[in-house]
Amino acid sequence: DVVMTQTPVSLSVSLGGQVSISCRSSQSLVHNNGNTYLSWYLQKPGQSPQLLIYKVSNRFSGISDRFSGSGSGTDFTLKISRVEPDDLGVYYCGQGTQYPYTFGAGTKLELK
Amino acid sequence: QVTLKESGPGILQPSQTLSLTCSFSGFSLSTSGICVSWIRQPSGKGLEWLATICWEDSKGYNPSLKNRLTISKDTSNNQAFLKITSVDTADTAIYYCAREGSRTFAYWGQGTLVTVSS
Repeated sequence: DVVMTQTPVSLSVSLGGQVSISCRSSQSLVHNNGNTYLSWYLQKPGQSPQLLIYKVSNRFSGISDRFSGSGSGTDFTLKISRVEPDDLGVYYCGQGTQYPYTFGAGTKLELK
Repeated sequence: QVTLKESGPGILQPSQTLSLTCSFSGFSLSTSGICVSWIRQPSGKGLEWLATICWEDSKGYNPSLKNRLTISKDTSNNQAFLKITSVDTADTAIYYCAREGSRTFAYWGQGTLVTVSS
């Protein structure tokens, strides 16, 4: 199985600040078709996860450009700029390159 | 508008079979490239992918649950199903269904809580 390692486990940020979350995979996430299936999700308290970013750097419909994804191979980053109260929750990276699909353990974003 | 809604028994006893239903609208499981997946989350813990079924009836299962999982669909009624046999307390979790496209979970249901207890 592909192991997804997220760091840090938790993050404190001031409103308006910027944060980065790292996600590393135990194997390359480049699929045979050339695509890299790395996604980022946000789970707000008491809610279902929601898709933010797919295929490393593509923002899902309706997602603010304050969220950006980057990376390649086994090393990926989610950056959030100008943090707002609605951004708080747990962020997960997930890979869809190979079965079984796997997720990182999550990064909790809290207010400082 | 894409919506998904999970339904299940709420509570069941160890060794029983868990049957879950995902009822969805706004898309069809007969459309090329569309899949529906099941993902679960124990209270306070992370996400675990369980199974996926796609438009052409291909299926994928998480081998960590060995042969306990069966995923199926009813395209005419816009539903997908998951059965988990021989449940125990470790299967207590919120179970989500999600529409998968391009190997990502773009739309999620609200989840249904399943508790396994004697």
